[in-house]
Amino acid sequence: KQEVTQIPAALSVPEGENLVLNCSFTDSAIYNLQWFRQDPGKGLTSLLLIQSSQREQTSGRLNASLDKSSGRSTLYIAASQPGDSATYLCAVRNRGYGGSQGNLIFGKGTKLSVKP
Amino acid sequence: DGGITQSPKYLFRKEGQNVTLSCEQNLNHDAMYWYRQDPGQGLRLIYYSQIVNDFQKGDIAEGYSVSREKKESFPLTVTSAQKNPTAFYLCASSIQKVSRRESGNTIYFGEGSWLTVV
Repeated sequence: KQEVTQIPAALSVPEGENLVLNCSFTDSAIYNLQWFRQDPGKGLTSLLLIQSSQREQTSGRLNASLDKSSGRSTLYIAASQPGDSATYLCAVRNRGYGGSQGNLIFGKGTKLSVKP
Repeated sequence: DGGITQSPKYLFRKEGQNVTLSCEQNLNHDAMYWYRQDPGQGLRLIYYSQIVNDFQKGDIAEGYSVSREKKESFPLTVTSAQKNPTAFYLCASSIQKVSRRESGNTIYFGEGSWLTVV
């Protein structure tokens, strides 16, 4: 059964720092991996989608990498800002079998606080 | 603007009541999903639907029911059989659910609905 783990659970950094969020998964049979941002009491906003054949994706100050063989992904945030404060979740789209095929499996998220 | 609309934002349920959460999308997406999120937890899949008049159970379907009579609508009913319904409920959609040939597209979420049992 696919399991997704995110470390650390919470992170506090001063403004301007570069930081890395980690995501690991137990089964490398995935279609893709997606990073999301969630503000308190809100829905999820997709940040980056990496297909299983890709190694990384970039959007602005965000860069996500995928190492499928080792079951790891990282989200790199450059020059962090207070507006980046949110919970960041990763999810893998599972190959799986039967009904679970194609479903997203989520980690519990990393709560990021960027202090001015 | 295109998007996913969930209503109500906040809902209170009495013991023994059924309540229905609405989810509407105008993105012309085929696949729709319902997730439950508990504090400090990841999202867990309740039900999903790939096409109209068809839906499948997710990991925690017990105590919930859905319908998919229209492509744009996927309401979720939380029944009295759900013993611990207090949670944040998220509806999502994507162009299609993956098959062996398709790797899947970005999934979009609504703003969520808070359900509290009183």
